[in-house]
Amino acid sequence: AQKITQTQPGMFVQEKEAVTLDCTYDTSDPSYGLFWYKQPSSGEMIFLIYQGSYDQQNATEGRYSLNFQKARKSANLVISASQLGDSAMYFCAMREGRGSSASKIIFGSGTRLSIRP
Amino acid sequence: GAVVSQHPSWVICKSGTSVKIECRSLDFQATTMFWYRQFPKQSLMLMATSNEGSKATYEQGVEKDKFLINHASLTLSTLTVTSAHPEDSSFYICSARPGRTYGYTFGSGTRLTVV
Repeated sequence: AQKITQTQPGMFVQEKEAVTLDCTYDTSDPSYGLFWYKQPSSGEMIFLIYQGSYDQQNATEGRYSLNFQKARKSANLVISASQLGDSAMYFCAMREGRGSSASKIIFGSGTRLSIRP
Repeated sequence: GAVVSQHPSWVICKSGTSVKIECRSLDFQATTMFWYRQFPKQSLMLMATSNEGSKATYEQGVEKDKFLINHASLTLSTLTVTSAHPEDSSFYICSARPGRTYGYTFGSGTRLTVV
């Protein structure tokens, strides 16, 4: 069974600093996808970044990058130059299999990130 | 980008009544939609997978007779919470994956309060 673990319930970071949010996963499927979502207090889920299990390079999207270490089964999110608007819950998620539209994703427990001015 | 519209945003209902939540994919066809429940300060827990034209697949421990899912068209899936009780109070959110994209698009969520 697939499993996602986020060990940091909460983090405080000074504005403009970089922050790393940890995520480890467990699956026996060689094909899978990893996601990070941001959930502000409004409740909406904002897609940040995706990493496929066969991708050779770490994914990057603007200030977001994913530190993918396949052998360690970790997929940490790095946010560079944090901003006050980055304060939110962050969820790591995983999809098993090649990823049809019918493939479900499951979520980790989340990390609440708070940015200090 | 792909949008999933979810209504209502919030609803308060009396114990014992039923509540229907709708999710519509606005600019893509969603043969599959996923329904999640999120209790305060917790993660999203998958409740069921809704399949257009066929029965939904429920996760273990989710009562299919209590949480009725209908996916009658390629753009609409509904979740009906039947005979709601205060313990059903939660944030319900739907999701679908537009074709040719990696990310799953989520509705804005429905905050249900049963009094």
